[in-house]
Amino acid sequence: DAKTTQPNSMESNEEEPVHLPCNHSTISGTDYIHWYRQLPSQGPEYVIHGLTSNVNNRMASLAIAEDRKSSTLILHRATLRDAAVYYCILRHSSNFGNEKLTFGTGTRLTIIP
Amino acid sequence: EAQVTQNPRYLITVTGKKLTVTCSQNMNHEYMSWYRQDPGLGLRQIYYSMNVEVTDKGDVPEGYKVSRKEKRNFPLILESPSPNQTSLYFCASSLMGVGNSPLHFGNGTRLTVT
Repeated sequence: DAKTTQPNSMESNEEEPVHLPCNHSTISGTDYIHWYRQLPSQGPEYVIHGLTSNVNNRMASLAIAEDRKSSTLILHRATLRDAAVYYCILRHSSNFGNEKLTFGTGTRLTIIP
Repeated sequence: EAQVTQNPRYLITVTGKKLTVTCSQNMNHEYMSWYRQDPGLGLRQIYYSMNVEVTDKGDVPEGYKVSRKEKRNFPLILESPSPNQTSLYFCASSLMGVGNSPLHFGNGTRLTVT
């Protein structure tokens, strides 16, 4: 089964870029890489996802290694509102109608003013 | 506003007293699912539903039941709650149950079983 590993915590200065890593060395070819973040007392919030190519949206960028065994979530200019726990999740669904989700344990990001 | 709504937000109950946590989404999503979140264990999937009348077990289904009689609702039922089911529960939905579909989570239900 696929597994994901993330650092427990990271710190970054406000207004600087942040690179959050995730290792998923046992990823399968049909696993999509998703990133979510969770603020205190809230449910996880979708950030970005991708399969093979790097992806950009208004919140962040996702860089996926060529072998897909790791990925990096990039916050281009961190603000205090970006302080949260960030989860890397693999989402797989088969043609037989079942699915498999693999959750990382999350990285607690602290932003230093 | 597009959202996933869980009720109640907080629930304290006693061992063995049946309870239901409701989950509703207003986005016409086919897929819905339930998770529990525990310190040190992270998020774990309990059950999921690919569509109406189609449900399947996740990683930790023991002690839980679900039903999907209508597209918008996916209640989580604890027939005989036990203290080890004390946890933070999240419901989520996505347009489809495929890898390319982002999940939308509710704000959680904190359950305490004494």
